[in-house]
Amino acid sequence: DAGITQSPRHKVTETGTPVTLRCHQTENHRYMYWYRQDPGHGLRLIHYSYGVKDTDKGEVSDGYSVSRSKTEDFLLTLESATSSQTSVYFCAISDPSNTGQRNTEAFFGQGTRLTVV
Amino acid sequence: AQKVTQAQTEISVVEKEDVTLDCVYETRDTTYYLFWYKQPPSGELVFLIRRNSFDEQNEISGRYSWNFQKSTSSFNFTITASQVVDSAVYFCALSEAGGGFKTIFGAGTRLFVKA
Repeated sequence: DAGITQSPRHKVTETGTPVTLRCHQTENHRYMYWYRQDPGHGLRLIHYSYGVKDTDKGEVSDGYSVSRSKTEDFLLTLESATSSQTSVYFCAISDPSNTGQRNTEAFFGQGTRLTVV
Repeated sequence: AQKVTQAQTEISVVEKEDVTLDCVYETRDTTYYLFWYKQPPSGELVFLIRRNSFDEQNEISGRYSWNFQKSTSSFNFTITASQVVDSAVYFCALSEAGGGFKTIFGAGTRLFVKA
């Protein structure tokens, strides 16, 4: 199994508070992703990173920021949590290459269930 | 822009029936990758298969088979002789080489296999 650890696994927070979710990998993969999963929407990409300090927005980036200061860590921050951000958050990693299909697939962490009350 | 459509929200079958999960994708890239993932009730996401845009060969792995057709932009997944353990949500996904390799998922198909 790919070495991906998400923390915390569960969190309940109040509206308006900042929240940071952490994703840690031991695979030295270049790409890291944050998704949220909601009923009826599948997995939606929030932000992703293609290297240290290189990040880009996904489909649903409003209200979220990310940082990647080391290859192994990718942080997702909700600056001021809202109830609409209650969701299950998944981190994923991949290591694609333009010269081949090796490691193009994403491997996922176990998810973080976030509840904003 | 890349897009993945899984039109079937839920499918219910009886054990031993064959079932096909549909996936239609949109992309402007010539180099792209398609994937299927399984999410059992326990919640983890399990990678099943990868296909690249230059390889239209169908693939079979045990009771699972995949049919990739560029002409219809489809990458369908068939489970033969379904079993209760196949009950899960199945996601189709697309990654474009020209799109920074970000992986976009369909909304998923929930499969119920009844004994």
